[in-house]
Amino acid sequence: GENVEQHPSTLSVQEGDSAVIKCTYSDSASNYFPWYKQELGKGPQLIIDIRSNVGEKKDQRIAVTLNKTAKHFSLHITETQPEDSAVYFCAAHSGSGNTGKLIFGQGTTLQVKP
Amino acid sequence: DSGVTQTPKHLITATGQRVTLRCSPRSGDLSVYWYQQSLDQGLQFLIQYYNGEERAKGNILERFSAQQFPDLHSELNLSSLELGDSALYFCASSPQGLSVGAPQYFGPGTRLLVL
Repeated sequence: GENVEQHPSTLSVQEGDSAVIKCTYSDSASNYFPWYKQELGKGPQLIIDIRSNVGEKKDQRIAVTLNKTAKHFSLHITETQPEDSAVYFCAAHSGSGNTGKLIFGQGTTLQVKP
Repeated sequence: DSGVTQTPKHLITATGQRVTLRCSPRSGDLSVYWYQQSLDQGLQFLIQYYNGEERAKGNILERFSAQQFPDLHSELNLSSLELGDSALYFCASSPQGLSVGAPQYFGPGTRLLVL
């Protein structure tokens, strides 16, 4: 069935360092890949997304890369700050148009130490 | 603030009971999705409605049902509750008209505790 594997499960970095989270998906028909940040007691917040016709997308300190051949996509956070500490989820969209669902990875707990 | 609202924020009930969770999507969004988040299963898709019609189904139990009303708000009904149904339940909404997936914006969730 559809599956998204996410690594690592926990990541601890020093403030100012970079953080990289990697995901692998199984459904070759997946065409949309969002990333969410979830803080304690809150709902997942969409932080960046990428579609299958694009290899890389950047938004300030956050970037996402996609390798469709290998079915890999990654989140890169540069110049990390303590407020980046949260749980990050990758997801792959399954379905087409207005039908479908997101298959989520298991999450990565990022801790940025001041 | 995503613009998606969910009520109630917290719900404590007993096994065997029935509860209703409510979601109002962002203004203009026609799709509503329900997800369950538990410690052992992570974020799991339950069901999607688009403009009042069921569009996709995930691993939703037969004891659970949902609907989307003409004003586009949605309700998730959970019946014959079991201890294992304790979880966070999220609603998300997305805009129409995109051919390749669509961003989903999540509400703050309802935390359900079954005792």
